[in-house]
Amino acid sequence: AAGVIQSPRHLIKEKRETATLKCYPIPRHDTVYWYQQGPGQDPQFLISFYEKMQSDKGSIPDRFSAQQFSDYHSELNMSSLELGDSALYFCASSPSDRPDQPQHFGDGTRLSIL
Amino acid sequence: LAKTTQPISMDSYEGQEVNITCSHNNIATNDYITWYQQFPSQGPRFIIQGYKTKVTNEVASLFIPADRKSSTLSLPRVSLSDTAVYYCLVAPVMNSGYSTLTFGKGTMLLVSP
Repeated sequence: AAGVIQSPRHLIKEKRETATLKCYPIPRHDTVYWYQQGPGQDPQFLISFYEKMQSDKGSIPDRFSAQQFSDYHSELNMSSLELGDSALYFCASSPSDRPDQPQHFGDGTRLSIL
Repeated sequence: LAKTTQPISMDSYEGQEVNITCSHNNIATNDYITWYQQFPSQGPRFIIQGYKTKVTNEVASLFIPADRKSSTLSLPRVSLSDTAVYYCLVAPVMNSGYSTLTFGKGTMLLVSP
């Protein structure tokens, strides 16, 4: 079965640079969630989108922004990168017409800030 | 959001049944209980979800008492590959299917030969 696709899988940036992470949800999933997991930490919710509109916001820094496009894929844009932004970034998706379906996660993008 | 409490770690041996209990004393009426498994450097993988009583699928069972203030994930006959972190999450599920997950401290399960 198709899964959530995230790209790139690994990304290395320097301080103050920008980065864009992409997420392609499972087909027919219209809700996308972004999570950040620092080294040795638990995943933390950042932001979510439903039908291309932002639906909820968690602990996302003001330096980050995200959007969901007409094909339901989503991009997380990160600017003025800091060392503390080094983490695994996960995207999850779910279908809004199936409340019994849980969130399905991708395998993440590992972002390393030098 | 309901806060969850689960053991930091558990040890087991291959072939044994493992039960991980999660406390969620302030669970709300429209909250569902969901368990995820996570291997290092991989995304959390859905295991099982339930609202009340007992739910069983091909990999696990979930036992939820009548008061729903706790739940127990049961893994039958674990193998070495079940070594992972297990998260218990409690969150409301809207009619739209939307649900924000708040991850707490998971349980690190170590399965030995």
